[in-house]
Amino acid sequence: AQSVTQPDIHITVSEGASLELRCNYSYGATPYLFWYVQSPGQGLQLLLKYFSGDTLVQGIKGFEAEFKRSQSSFNLRKPSVHWSDAAEYFCAVPSSGGGADGLTFGKGTHLIIQP
Amino acid sequence: KAGVTQTPRYLIKTRGQQVTLSCSPISGHRSVSWYQQTPGQGLQFLFEYFSETQRNKGNFPGRFSGRQFSNSRSEMNVSTLELGDSALYLCASSLYREGSEQFFGPGTRLTVL
Repeated sequence: AQSVTQPDIHITVSEGASLELRCNYSYGATPYLFWYVQSPGQGLQLLLKYFSGDTLVQGIKGFEAEFKRSQSSFNLRKPSVHWSDAAEYFCAVPSSGGGADGLTFGKGTHLIIQP
Repeated sequence: KAGVTQTPRYLIKTRGQQVTLSCSPISGHRSVSWYQQTPGQGLQFLFEYFSETQRNKGNFPGRFSGRQFSNSRSEMNVSTLELGDSALYLCASSLYREGSEQFFGPGTRLTVL
């Protein structure tokens, strides 16, 4: 079964500092990979997705992620965080087969921004 | 284009009752998925519907059920509520094609007392 691991439950960074959130996946084939963000009391918003092709993916709000097959990783990065980036971040893969089915999410990483 | 809408946004029920939650997908999206989010278990997939048919189901008891209407709107029902059913229930819609991203609604916060 597909699975996603986000090793960091909480991460604290200073405003203006760079950010990297880790995501490791277990998947039988070339995966589709997603990063979502959830602000308090809100639903999930898609930041970016990887389907195929270029392994460096650009997303919204200045985020990017790099797919590394050799490391089974899809880490999310941002060069300079803003206080508004404080939220919960989730990495996800399709639950099976890559088709239009449910997503399997990691446990999430809670991002705290220090002034 | 309007996003995914869910009603109601908040709900309080007591143990043993049943509840129905509603989801209207983005116009043109025919696939609707439901998720349960709790602090302990995180985000868990409940089921997915396409063309009024349940295509996939997560590992939840039969008390959790759903349906989809011809206009792609979906409802989920939880019968005989338990305290552990307290959660944020999220609905997501997508185009039914491989790798389509899912667009999430704001969720329904269910509290079971």
